Amino acid sequence: KQEVTQIPAALSVPEGENLVLNCSFTDSAIYNLQWFRQDPGKGLTSLLLIQSSQREQTSGRLNASLDKSSGRSTLYIAASQPGDSATYLCAVRPHSNYQLIWGAGTKLIIKP
Amino acid sequence: NAGVTQTPKFQVLKTGQSMTLQCAQDMNHNSMYWYRQDPGMGLRLIYYSASEGTTDKGEVPNGYNVSRLNKREFSLRLESAAPSQTSVYFCASSEVQARAFFGQGTRLTVV
Repeated sequence: KQEVTQIPAALSVPEGENLVLNCSFTDSAIYNLQWFRQDPGKGLTSLLLIQSSQREQTSGRLNASLDKSSGRSTLYIAASQPGDSATYLCAVRPHSNYQLIWGAGTKLIIKP
Repeated sequence: NAGVTQTPKFQVLKTGQSMTLQCAQDMNHNSMYWYRQDPGMGLRLIYYSASEGTTDKGEVPNGYNVSRLNKREFSLRLESAAPSQTSVYFCASSEVQARAFFGQGTRLTVV
C-alpha cells in the first residue's frame, strides 16, 4: 500500500531564506507526483507536476525534484517571502488506480 | 476560465437532513473526485469518477452517494447527515497524467 510522508509537519523561517520541503513515498510505481499549496480557508492549487520519467520541474522560485528509486521528492523555494506562507502538500498518483495518495502537509510560515 | 466550481460554499444542516453538494468543471476532464478534509486527518477520498458513467468508492464512502451527471458535473449527496460529517468538502478534476484542479470547498456543519 502506497504511503506518503511529509517532514517536517511545520516550518518557520525568516524572509529571504532558501528552504526545502520533503516528501517520501513507499512504492516507486507512480505515474507522477504533484506539489500543492493550500492557503487557510481555501482550496488547493497545484504548483508543480513531475511525471515519473522526469527528474525535476521548475516554476519561478519553485523547483521540485523526483527520485523514484529512493522514493523521495523535494520542493525547493528560493528567496522565501511572507506570501509563501501556506500549507504545502505532495501527492502521488500510483500506476494501479486513478486516486491520488496524499501526504499530511507541511505548514510553512515565513517571518517578515 | 472558471475551473472547478462548487456550491454551496457554506451550509449548516440539522442531524438527519439531506443535501446535495454540486460540482462542475469546464476543463473537459474525464476524472472527478470528492474529498473531505478534517483537522489532523488530511485529505480523504470519498468517491471518484474515472470517466463519465463510472463511479467508485474511495477511502471513506459510508454515508455518501454520488452521481456523475455528465462529463462536467459530479454531485455528492448526504442522505441523512450526521455530526461526524461536519467537514470541509472539496471537489477536484483531472486527467490521469495531468494536474488536479480543486474547487474552493464547501464548509459543512451538522448540528
